[in-house]
Amino acid sequence: GAGVSQTPSNKVTEKGKYVELRCDPISGHTALYWYRQSLGQGPEFLIYFQGTGAADDSGLPNDRFFAVRPEGSVSTLKIQRTERGDSAVYLCASSLNGGINTGELFFGEGSRLTVL
Amino acid sequence: DQQVKQNSPSLSVQEGRISILNCDYTNSMFDYFLWYKKYPAEGPTFLISISSIKDKNEDGRFTVFLNKSAKHLSLHIVPSQPGDSAVYFCAACSSNTGKLIFGQGTTLQVKP
Repeated sequence: GAGVSQTPSNKVTEKGKYVELRCDPISGHTALYWYRQSLGQGPEFLIYFQGTGAADDSGLPNDRFFAVRPEGSVSTLKIQRTERGDSAVYLCASSLNGGINTGELFFGEGSRLTVL
Repeated sequence: DQQVKQNSPSLSVQEGRISILNCDYTNSMFDYFLWYKKYPAEGPTFLISISSIKDKNEDGRFTVFLNKSAKHLSLHIVPSQPGDSAVYFCAACSSNTGKLIFGQGTTLQVKP
């Protein structure tokens, strides 16, 4: 499709397990963002890629969280040793050039992670 | 530290009337502001934005007002339609950064 695609749409895992969430941005979009949304809250910034490099990873909560974008297109958010507090909807977004005021973000539908 | 705040978790209006959603921010470095709309089980979609050099931006039924001295912005929807029922997020950023900061959201219900 033409939009941002995220897989899986739902993931249930046990505490302590490793999880990977995938984002396929809109073709040609150089900037890619990961956000996390907990129940009743707005999206919380995690990390922003411009091309292959992480331009800003200040939102990653701790070293259990890591994200990559090796070819400047698809990105994977990796969570090690999951905790119940990691349960949230993980949103991916892309934009044409990066820099918010050059264009809005296009969001995917999100990956809902539940850690039991 | 909540840099972007939407103090009303919900709002209910009658179809045809005006909906006013409010947002306050604390960071004076923010110079670009956006509103996003979110339906259940979907990602947020961009609605309208405003740069800090303006105090008003209008797009059809949607108008965003910015009051920099008060660090306040609002979204006006007129006339409101039932299809406008959704969660509305206010967001803010500094120029050319990748970090959009979102408010908590306001759930709008437009009654037929």
